[in-house]
Amino acid sequence: DAGVIQSPRHEVTEMGQEVTLRCKPISGHNSLFWYRQTMMRGLELLIYFNNNVPIDDSGMPEDRFSAKMPNASFSTLKIQPSEPRDSAVYFCASTPDNTGELFFGEGSRLTVL
Amino acid sequence: QKEVEQNSGPLSVPEGAIASLNCTYSDRGSQSFFWYRQYSGKSPELIMFIYSNGDKEDGRFTAQLNKASQYVSLLIRDSQPSDSATYLCAVFSNAGKSTFGDGTTLTVKP
Repeated sequence: DAGVIQSPRHEVTEMGQEVTLRCKPISGHNSLFWYRQTMMRGLELLIYFNNNVPIDDSGMPEDRFSAKMPNASFSTLKIQPSEPRDSAVYFCASTPDNTGELFFGEGSRLTVL
Repeated sequence: QKEVEQNSGPLSVPEGAIASLNCTYSDRGSQSFFWYRQYSGKSPELIMFIYSNGDKEDGRFTAQLNKASQYVSLLIRDSQPSDSATYLCAVFSNAGKSTFGDGTTLTVKP
């Protein structure tokens, strides 16, 4: 069975540009999480969905960040406009029945110049 | 105070020794506790979880939980160089989300 699939794996962009990160969770998993990892702040939860519905977006840093989950097999995290401080590795994770057992994708490494 | 705190690293042990990783948490209502391993440049992967007070063993790994002290630990017996990684403690809350500690980097020297 394929794991959590994220794209792109690497993204380099210039400040002010729009960035869209994509995630396909494991089939049958009904909870999806977006995390951001930096050296300074560690692994931070940005938002999570349960059955495609956003449950908690309190970790989304600013209005520049938005996330959607239009169906059970796809989610996006969008940053518009991007800033250098958004540079990080963004992980998507899914779990069956929201048990806390997270299955992570390989991450999207974002660099904003 | 952070919600989940881990003992500051890095931690270095010789091959074959026991590595001890510690974690404390602030939310007394937390029910589930997880240990993830993250190799450099890779994503976290789940290695252990524990729900009840006491010890849980899986191969060379033992997770320990003391809810009264709000303390979780991970012991790695017969440490191998392949165990060298960052170990992340995660606490799953009743709100349905996992909060991670900053991680402890372990190096096992041959």
